[in-house]
Amino acid sequence: GNSVTQMEGPVTLSEEAFLTINCTYTATGYPSLFWYVQYPGEGLQLLLKATKADDKGSNKGFEATYRKETTSFHLEKGSVQVSDSAVYFCALSDSGGSQGNLIFGKGTKLSVKP
Amino acid sequence: DAGVIQSPRHEVTEMGQEVTLRCKPISGHDYLFWYRQTMMRGLELLIYFNNNVPIDDSGMPEDRFSAKMPNASFSTLKIQPSEPRDSAVYFCASSRQAPNQPQHFGDGTRLSIL
Repeated sequence: GNSVTQMEGPVTLSEEAFLTINCTYTATGYPSLFWYVQYPGEGLQLLLKATKADDKGSNKGFEATYRKETTSFHLEKGSVQVSDSAVYFCALSDSGGSQGNLIFGKGTKLSVKP
Repeated sequence: DAGVIQSPRHEVTEMGQEVTLRCKPISGHDYLFWYRQTMMRGLELLIYFNNNVPIDDSGMPEDRFSAKMPNASFSTLKIQPSEPRDSAVYFCASSRQAPNQPQHFGDGTRLSIL
């Protein structure tokens, strides 16, 4: 079945450091891929998405490219800020029988120190 | 536009009591999802509805949990009787009918069973 694997955290970085959070997936068909962010005490918010191979999603300085050949959707940011401290979830649309459902990774906690 | 609205934001009750969590999805969204999030188990899908009909309830932990969606603008998740291990943050999310749509999350209900 479809699944998402993302790097385990926590990840601790200094302000202005480069960020990569790895995400790989297993899927049948042609799913869409998403990154969600969860700030403390809040629900998950859509950060960016990509709907087909080689698409690049971007938002708030974050980027991720849909790589079908490596089944990956790694999240990157060139210079993180303290305000980026949150939990990040990779997800894919369940393009099989459960249309509408998303398959989420376990989440990666990011802490950015000043 | 109003987002997904959940109530209450916090609930503290004693073991054995009935708990009812409420959700109002975004108008025009056809899918509604209930999730549970804990430190130990992460984000778990409990049940989801399409056009008010339950599609997959395989994530509902046991018969003490039930969910209803009497109309397109309201859903409830009920726990009866509640137990301390039900303590978690419960999220509701909704999305459009079209394929590969992102889910929009509410701010969650933080439930503590004493």
